[in-house]
Amino acid sequence: QVQLVQSGAEVKKPGASVKVSCEASGYTFTGYYIHWVRQAPGQGLEWMGRINPNSGATDYAQKFQGRVTMTRDTSISTANMELSRLRSDDTAIYFCARGITMAQGVTGFDYWGQGTLVTVSS
Amino acid sequence: DIQMTQSPSSLSASVGDRVTITCRASQSISNYLNWYQQKPGKAPKLLIFAASYLQSGVPSRFSGSGSGTDFTLTISGLQPEDFATYYCQQTYSTPRTFGQGTKVEIK
Repeated sequence: QVQLVQSGAEVKKPGASVKVSCEASGYTFTGYYIHWVRQAPGQGLEWMGRINPNSGATDYAQKFQGRVTMTRDTSISTANMELSRLRSDDTAIYFCARGITMAQGVTGFDYWGQGTLVTVSS
Repeated sequence: DIQMTQSPSSLSASVGDRVTITCRASQSISNYLNWYQQKPGKAPKLLIFAASYLQSGVPSRFSGSGSGTDFTLTISGLQPEDFATYYCQQTYSTPRTFGQGTKVEIK
């Protein structure tokens, strides 16, 4: 069965960087985009960007350009999201999700990781 | 960026009620619209894709409609397990923006 398993919770100081991993299993890793979505406490969902695991090509939301780096390691079917220059308002749960093209060419996020809590605090 | 606006932000309903949530896009997105359900402490779950197609395994009491800029999610006969927050999302262009969410609470 398809699974996305994320790395554990992190506590970081302002200005530091965090790297969250997302290990995929149960499907061909290089066949589907991996998207990253975050959710601040009590808030809604915010799309951060995506990576094509086959080519390594990335698209980032403008808001995170220059601070986020998404990579993948196809040998271990893992996608990574690194966020630098952390601020207190980066405190959130970070999710990875598989992007799939469905009927009529519309894409959706059909499988999600369990989420990784990143806390930024001095 | 395409802005997605949901209404209402929250609603109270009883088991068995028919519930409708609306989502409006700031520009036409054809049918590139998905709906997700999220329960506390859990990842979102895809319910509806391409505005009106039910994801596999999702109960038929959930339905979606709309095209262009205006969309609706309807739950016909609310069940106890449906109390959650619902988000719309456009995948017409990047960034893949979400609505702010609609929390469905027990009356």
